[in-house]
Amino acid sequence: AQTVTQSQPEMSVQEAETVTLSCTYDTSESDYYLFWYKQPPSRQMILVIRQEAYKQQNATENRFSVNFQKAAKSFSLKISDSQLGDAAMYFCAYRRGKGAQKLVFGQGTRLTINP
Amino acid sequence: DTAVSQTPKYLVTQMGNDKSIKCEQNLGHDTMYWYKQDSKKFLKIMFSYNNKELIINETVPNRFSPKSPDKAHLNLHINSLELGDSAVYFCASSSSGGYNEQFFGPGTRLTVL
Repeated sequence: AQTVTQSQPEMSVQEAETVTLSCTYDTSESDYYLFWYKQPPSRQMILVIRQEAYKQQNATENRFSVNFQKAAKSFSLKISDSQLGDAAMYFCAYRRGKGAQKLVFGQGTRLTINP
Repeated sequence: DTAVSQTPKYLVTQMGNDKSIKCEQNLGHDTMYWYKQDSKKFLKIMFSYNNKELIINETVPNRFSPKSPDKAHLNLHINSLELGDSAVYFCASSSSGGYNEQFFGPGTRLTVL
């Protein structure tokens, strides 16, 4: 069974600085997708960024980027120029292949932004 | 326009009662999901339907019964509610073709007293 591990229950960063959230996963599949979701206090799940396993290039979305290390099964999220609105729970998630597949989530990391 | 909607957003009920949560999506997706987020914020899949057919059924008590009357709706009925059922329940939808991004509803916070 696939598992996703986020070893940092909580992280904090000063506004405008950079923070990296860690995620490791375990799978024997070769075709899969990885995601980072943000859950602010409103509890809405918001997709931040995704990475296809077959792509070697790391995904980037504005201030958010990932460091995808396929051999190490590591998928970290870097947030640059942190803003107060970035404060939230962040979940790393794995999905096997294409089609109607379930998301497997990590335990989450609570990110606090200090003004 | 709301893409994935759930009703109600909050549900407070007594142990032993039966309750339902409704989910609707207007994205034209053919697959819908129920996830449960427990008090420690851990999210886990419960069920998934594709074209009204049950395709994922994780280890969930029989007291939970999903029903999909059509592709746009997936309801969750819970019998004989227990204290441990208190959680946030998220509905999500996706298409089974292409990239398959899952879009989540706003969640339903269920509190069993």
